[in-house]
Order: sequence, then C-alpha cells, then structure tokens
Amino acid sequence: TQLLEQSPQFLSIQEGENLTVYCNSSSVFSSLQWYRQEPGEGPVLLVTVVTGGEVKKLKRLTFQFGDARKDSSLHITAAQPGDTGLYLCAGVYNFNKFYFGSGTKLNVKP
Amino acid sequence: GAVVSQHPSWVICKSGTSVKIECRSLDFQATTMFWYRQFPKQSLMLMATSNEGSKATYEQGVEKDKFLINHASLTLSTLTVTSAHPEDSSFYICSARDPPGGGAKNIQYFGAGTRLSVL
Repeated sequence: TQLLEQSPQFLSIQEGENLTVYCNSSSVFSSLQWYRQEPGEGPVLLVTVVTGGEVKKLKRLTFQFGDARKDSSLHITAAQPGDTGLYLCAGVYNFNKFYFGSGTKLNVKP
Repeated sequence: GAVVSQHPSWVICKSGTSVKIECRSLDFQATTMFWYRQFPKQSLMLMATSNEGSKATYEQGVEKDKFLINHASLTLSTLTVTSAHPEDSSFYICSARDPPGGGAKNIQYFGAGTRLSVL
C-alpha cells in the first residue's frame, strides 16, 4: 500500500501540450518534494514545498501544495521531449519519515 | 548542492555471495542516510534508515539479517546484501539528509544508484 498515490501512472503526450500530475494522501505532510528520475540514475530534486497553499514555479513547471498539506500537483506547460522521465513526489511525515509516491512515467513525443 | 556518491554503480554476482554497496556524502556530514529499493518502472521503496553510530531502523518486511547496514562515520553508510539470490536483483539507491537533523524541508540528496544482478 502506497502512502502517497500519484496519478496518472503513465502519460504519453505530444510536444507542446500541457499536463498535470497529482500526488495525494490521507495524511498531512511536514513538507513535500518533487523529483525527476532518469533510467539508471538516482532521483534529482526539483522543488520542496512546505507551506499549505504554496505555489512555486521552475521555468515551465508549476508546483502547488494543497492548503491542508495532504496533496500536491505538478503542472508542465508546453512539454518538451527533454521533460520525459519518471516524476516522483515524496512526502515528509512528522519531520522525519520520508516516503515516495507511486510515480508518474511521462513520455513527451516530438 | 550536496553530493552523494554511491559505489559501485553496477554489480553482478553469483547466487549465495554477499555484495557491499557504499554510500558517501562528499561535502556534508550525514548523521542519517536512507536506503531504497526500486523495481523496474516502479517507485522507490524505503528499506531502512541508517543512523551514524547506532543500529539501523528497518521498514516492515525488510529482513535485517539479509540487508546489513553499517553507518560507521558521518560520511559513509554501507548496505551489504548477504547470501544474495536472484530475487534480490534490483536497483538500490541511497540518500543523505540535509540538514542532518531533518526539519520541515528535510531535503534528501540521492546517490546515482546501484544495479545489482544476481545470477
């Protein structure tokens, strides 16, 4: 059983399209992080959100933390083939335990 | 940003042998490191929390005697897969926490992973 559920699990889109990935839990997070992982490599941190309702932008990526700190979303505008990868959310519980979401495999076709 | 080095990146071994994987924090001290296991096209599953100078804390279902963890210094944690079998074949990833005590941000920096193949 995953503490954090991500949706969708798989996403295949054309270059230039927009997309949103969701990360949900029934528990409250101390903070939440989004990572991107390439095959055969470790995850690379994209962003950390701490405050409920927080919105952070990283170029074409927009991250939002839910008001209740139980959910988060990642929105990509005008996706590019270079955005292809496995996107993982990771929640921190009680400032100590750290668990990953189920992952979203994104494929952006040129 | 902080750098975590993991070695080896790929190892093949015979069934019944033991394999040691090292995880080093290169430019910061890590009192706590984490070991994860990842199956193809799946997310990371936390195996254990490695604490410098004390015993590791294992997640439910992870065999302590199978996956030995040693965190002898502030920059090095090792995971030894003992008497490896083909079902232990997987991608193992370590991470180190910064700041060391955790806290609200509790950022984790990851190694590049070790692909273990047991024949």
